[in-house]
Amino acid sequence: DQQVKQNSPSLSVQEGRISILNCDYTNSMFDYFLWYKKYPAEGPTFLISISSIKDKNEDGRFTVFLNKSAKHLSLHIVPSQPGDSAVYFCAASSLIQGAQKLVFGQGTRLTINP
Amino acid sequence: GAGVSQSPSNKVTEKGKDVELRCDPISGHTALYWYRQSLGQGLEFLIYFQGNSAPDKSGLPSDRFSAERTGGSVSTLTIQRTQQEDSAVYLCASSLVTGTGGGYTFGSGTRLTVV
Repeated sequence: DQQVKQNSPSLSVQEGRISILNCDYTNSMFDYFLWYKKYPAEGPTFLISISSIKDKNEDGRFTVFLNKSAKHLSLHIVPSQPGDSAVYFCAASSLIQGAQKLVFGQGTRLTINP
Repeated sequence: GAGVSQSPSNKVTEKGKDVELRCDPISGHTALYWYRQSLGQGLEFLIYFQGNSAPDKSGLPSDRFSAERTGGSVSTLTIQRTQQEDSAVYLCASSLVTGTGGGYTFGSGTRLTVV
């Protein structure tokens, strides 16, 4: 039972254009949604999050949009840069026994072409 | 330390042997998590520890897997009688108990290869 799904295993975007990564979820009880970025041979690093009570959060070139009725979120990166090439994981958070528990999607490999 | 430290970074073991993976979380982080990433897969939850509470072991794939956290700090993940399907990158993460959406801090992982 995959609670968080990233249906695109890979995405290729030209440098300077907008990258849009998508994520769908099934559980309405998640309280936060997060995006992580992962380079090869490194652990995932936190990028940006959004509370379930918001519909948009922006941080520099990164914006996350949340559509609760569709149970869908997306990460927009604009303008895309070569250093953005990485695997991006969507995650959904619930608070269990006082700690955050994250459920991750399968990841999307983003390649930015010069 | 400044980040989450995992050791070893790489481990090659023969099928049937036991392995121990170590995680040293960020000082002061009360929650510690183990995930694994198999080839081409997402991050699979294994187990988490929160303070003195009983660990949530719901993600452990079989009874060959166990983990402990001593003194609320360092954790070891033990895999007994390793199988080839155990080959994966094992990631440890820690976090403060804030629930504010700040997420976890991950270590660089241990790449386990069972031959």
